[in-house]
Amino acid sequence: GNSVTQMEGPVTLSEEAFLTINCTYTATGYPSLFWYVQYPGEGLQLLLKATKADDKGSNKGFEATYRKETTSFHLEKGSVQVSDSAVYFCALSRLNRDDKIIFGKGTRLHILP
Amino acid sequence: KAGVTQTPRYLIKTRGQQVTLSCSPISGHRSVSWYQQTPGQGLQFLFEYFSETQRNKGNFPGRFSGRQFSNSRSEMNVSTLELGDSALYLCASSLDSPNTGELFFGEGSRLTVL
Repeated sequence: GNSVTQMEGPVTLSEEAFLTINCTYTATGYPSLFWYVQYPGEGLQLLLKATKADDKGSNKGFEATYRKETTSFHLEKGSVQVSDSAVYFCALSRLNRDDKIIFGKGTRLHILP
Repeated sequence: KAGVTQTPRYLIKTRGQQVTLSCSPISGHRSVSWYQQTPGQGLQFLFEYFSETQRNKGNFPGRFSGRQFSNSRSEMNVSTLELGDSALYLCASSLDSPNTGELFFGEGSRLTVL
């Protein structure tokens, strides 16, 4: 079946460090891929998405490239800020009404000033 | 435009009781999905409603149920509460199918079962 695997957290970095959060997926067909972010005390919000192979999603300085050959969608940011501290979820979906969105377990990110 | 509203935000119940949580989606959104979030299991899909019909269901026992009203507002109910039901319950709305991935989440209802 479809699944998403994320690196386990927590990930702790200093401000201005480079960030990578790994995400790999298993799916039949051609899923769409997403990163969601959950700030403390809030619900999830869509951060970026990619709908086909080699697409790059980007938002707020974050980027992720849909790599079909490695079934990956790693999240990167060149210089993190304290305000980026949150939980990040990788997710996939297929455009089929009977399929539900599959979320990874989330990776907690702590940025130290 | 107002976001997804969930009530109540926090509640405490005891084992054996039942609870009803409410979700008002973004105006115009017809699909409402419910998720259970716990530290150990992450986000687990409960069910999805569209136009008052349950369109998809996760692997939860029958104690978990939901419904959607004609104005797209949704409620979920958990009967005979167990300690393990303590979690953050998140509601998400989308225009049509949630499979486009563009879900809009509420802040959640945090349930504590004692």
